[in-house]
Order: sequence, then C-alpha cells, then structure tokens
Amino acid sequence: DTEVTQTPKHLVMGMTNKKSLKCEQHMGHRAMYWYKQKAKKPPELMFVYSYEKLSINESVPSRFSPECPNSSLLNLHLHALQPEDSALYLCASSPRDNTQYFGPGTRLTVL
Amino acid sequence: GQSLEQPSEVTAVEGAIVQINCTYQTSGFYGLSWYQQHDGGAPTFLSYNALDGLEETGRFSSFLSRSDSYGYLLLQELQMKDSASYFCAVTDNNDMRFGAGTRLTVKP
Repeated sequence: DTEVTQTPKHLVMGMTNKKSLKCEQHMGHRAMYWYKQKAKKPPELMFVYSYEKLSINESVPSRFSPECPNSSLLNLHLHALQPEDSALYLCASSPRDNTQYFGPGTRLTVL
Repeated sequence: GQSLEQPSEVTAVEGAIVQINCTYQTSGFYGLSWYQQHDGGAPTFLSYNALDGLEETGRFSSFLSRSDSYGYLLLQELQMKDSASYFCAVTDNNDMRFGAGTRLTVKP
C-alpha cells in the first residue's frame, strides 16, 4: 500500500456542526501532517505529528482539533467553523524529513 | 521566519525546456523540495535536494546552491500534461514551507 487516503472527499457543514476528517496511511511513515489550501494558494501547514505526538501546531484556531490514534491514522475534528475555513484540507505522511506523500484531500465547504 | 520566492507564471511550448527558479530565506534548512499540483488534485513529490548540485529524475532535474539560497526545477521535453502549478518547499526538521507556486502553461 503506497498511498495516503482521506475521507470524506467532500464535506458541507454548517457553522454549528461537528465533523471529522480522516486520514490513513500504511507505509510505516512516522510523521503525518495536516495542511489547509485555499484556491490558487500554496498549502499552509497546520499540524505535524511525529511518532504519534503533536510536534508542531501552527497557531491554528481551537475549532480545529487534531488527533493521532495510532501510527497509521490521523483525524482532524472540526467544530464551530466559519465560512472562511472553507478550503481543501490535505493530509500528508513522510518517511523522513525530505519527502511528503499527500492524500487527495477533503474539500470542505462551511455554510 | 521563512520566505520563498518563485515566479508566479511561466509559459512554454511543447518540446521546450523551462526552468523555474526558487530563492529562499529561512532560519533553518534541511533541503529544498519540488512538488507538482494539477488543478483539483493534490501535490505530488517531484524532487529533493539536500546538498549542492543537480539531481536528475527523468525529464525533471532540480538544482540547489546552499550558499546562494537558490534552487531551480528544470523540465525538459515539455508535454501538455506538464501544465500545472509547481511549488518549491523548504524543509526544516519536521516543518515544511511552500512557496507561492508557479503556474506553468504548456502550449502546442
């Protein structure tokens, strides 16, 4: 298995909803990442997990809550989002510091 | 802080060679990566340089000069499918920062 999978592919939610994004990889990578990408912009790093521990949190609002249940799974819990949070959310994993393998992303729309 | 500069747009014809430059200013540096992203898709890894010099992978090559804080991606024998956005990215420990991206358009 040489890919990163993400579910769902698309998500529409209201500002009062709670939802979760899921990411999975079975390549044995010990670093996993969440990025946010707006249209025609580069990916922005949100969170980094290294060996299942949160190592980087880029001052992301608390309405985004990451979780790494095990070395293969990464979740992003969403609560009370704002319309400006609408974006493509990308998960990535890395076997080391120099390459990242991205999932297809979840396209999130907040109404 | 970190900053990466790359051209916003490049246009070339099929079969040509194009070079996309990237200059960076970072507090820490492990290496420079390049990623390709087609519209509606996810970034895919192209190349990585940790040391000075040229890395070649098929039609794509990447170069790094650490002393000049400069690198480039060279695409040869351009094909229509190469039309995409190309991002340089600096790695510092577990952190990766992307440049704003270069939109490459390949014309027949």
